[in-house]
Amino acid sequence: GQNIDQPTEMTATEGAIVQINCTYQTSGFNGLFWYQQHAGEAPTFLSYNVLDGLEEKGRFSSFLSRSKGYSYLLLKELQMKDSASYLCAVVDSNYQLIWGAGTKLIIKP
Amino acid sequence: GAVVSQHPSRVICKSGTSVKIECRSLDFQATTMFWYRQFPKKSLMLMATSNEGSKATYEQGVEKDKFLINHASLTLSTLTVTSAHPEDSSFYICSARDGGQEYNEQFFGPGTRLTVL
Repeated sequence: GQNIDQPTEMTATEGAIVQINCTYQTSGFNGLFWYQQHAGEAPTFLSYNVLDGLEEKGRFSSFLSRSKGYSYLLLKELQMKDSASYLCAVVDSNYQLIWGAGTKLIIKP
Repeated sequence: GAVVSQHPSRVICKSGTSVKIECRSLDFQATTMFWYRQFPKKSLMLMATSNEGSKATYEQGVEKDKFLINHASLTLSTLTVTSAHPEDSSFYICSARDGGQEYNEQFFGPGTRLTVL
């Protein structure tokens, strides 16, 4: 079957750096998305990786290794507003999005 | 970026009534729209995929007669929860894929919180 694994919850300190990992086993691969979702709101797009390597976008970076079935989202200079759930989603061979359960990130002062 | 609206944002209804939720792509043509359901502290659960002008494809375990989906135009899809019951209470989110995009990003609507009494 298809599977996306990411930690359920992480805690970090304001101003610090945190890395959220995502591993996947899917039927085919056509890209990986990271979304941010605040409680009670819809997800918002953060990043898309389809080739191996690191994509940097401001305080957020996303890394992909297709051979390892692994991605991470790196958040730098954490702010209180970064407290949210972070969802990893993989596009499979049918171009369907397979969603991870999300990682709840708690930022402490 | 592309904008997707969803209406209503919140609805409370009595058990047995039907509720219609609209999803609109405001500044692009959405060849494909998706309907998700999300339970508290859980990830998104895909209910169905709809392509403009054709019948929706429902995920396993989703009752097509209970969750009616219509995608009549390239900018509008509707989800009707028929004869709603308390267990249908959930956060319903639609998303749309821009056919002109070079990759497969989905743009999400703000969601509809349904409460069935």
